[in-house]
Amino acid sequence: DAKTTQPNSMESNEEEPVHLPCNHSTISGTDYIHWYRQLPSQGPEYVIHGLTSNVNNRMASLAIAEDRKSSTLILHRATLRDAAVYYCILRDGQGAQKLVFGQGTRLTINP
Amino acid sequence: DAGVTQSPTHLIKTRGQQVTLRCSPKSGHDTVSWYQQALGQGPQFIFQYYEEEERQRGNFPDRFSGHQFPNYSSELNVNALLLGDSALYLCASSSSYRGRGSGNTIYFGEGSWLTVV
Repeated sequence: DAKTTQPNSMESNEEEPVHLPCNHSTISGTDYIHWYRQLPSQGPEYVIHGLTSNVNNRMASLAIAEDRKSSTLILHRATLRDAAVYYCILRDGQGAQKLVFGQGTRLTINP
Repeated sequence: DAGVTQSPTHLIKTRGQQVTLRCSPKSGHDTVSWYQQALGQGPQFIFQYYEEEERQRGNFPDRFSGHQFPNYSSELNVNALLLGDSALYLCASSSSYRGRGSGNTIYFGEGSWLTVV
């Protein structure tokens, strides 16, 4: 399984943008980049995913490097409810239904 | 639309006992996976069920077994419990009909907290 590298923790202030980085230098051509987050005492929650192009949805934006070896999850205006562990996961688009989680980034939001 | 539901939410067992955890997938989903999450760690894949058969398995011993029923619900069984089995057990569901990788979002339940004493 291809691996990802994320900082252990990050801190930001409420209503400011947050950029969560992820390195995945061994990504293969069929791997999609998925982001999940896990709020305290809850199961992981899907955030966003992409293959090559940048992606936007109501929760966040995903910026993917041209060589696909890194990506950044962008929360445009962080709120206290965005405090969670964020996981960057590579998922084989050829059929893998399982997710391989790393340690993730613990995001703290200051009021 | 109910999401993934799991039961029980919390339970305490003694070493050597057996436990059964239950999961109902999100409406319209036919594939169920189970994950174990130890405190402070990311979830680890245990196995996946589709069409009532185990399709993929992670690095877990045979003490961990499962079942999927015709209505797509699933059970996770753990025999001969060890202290190290204490963890949050997460059920995840997805639809095989929506294709793979891209459009096939995986949804998680809130988990069952198992404490082995």
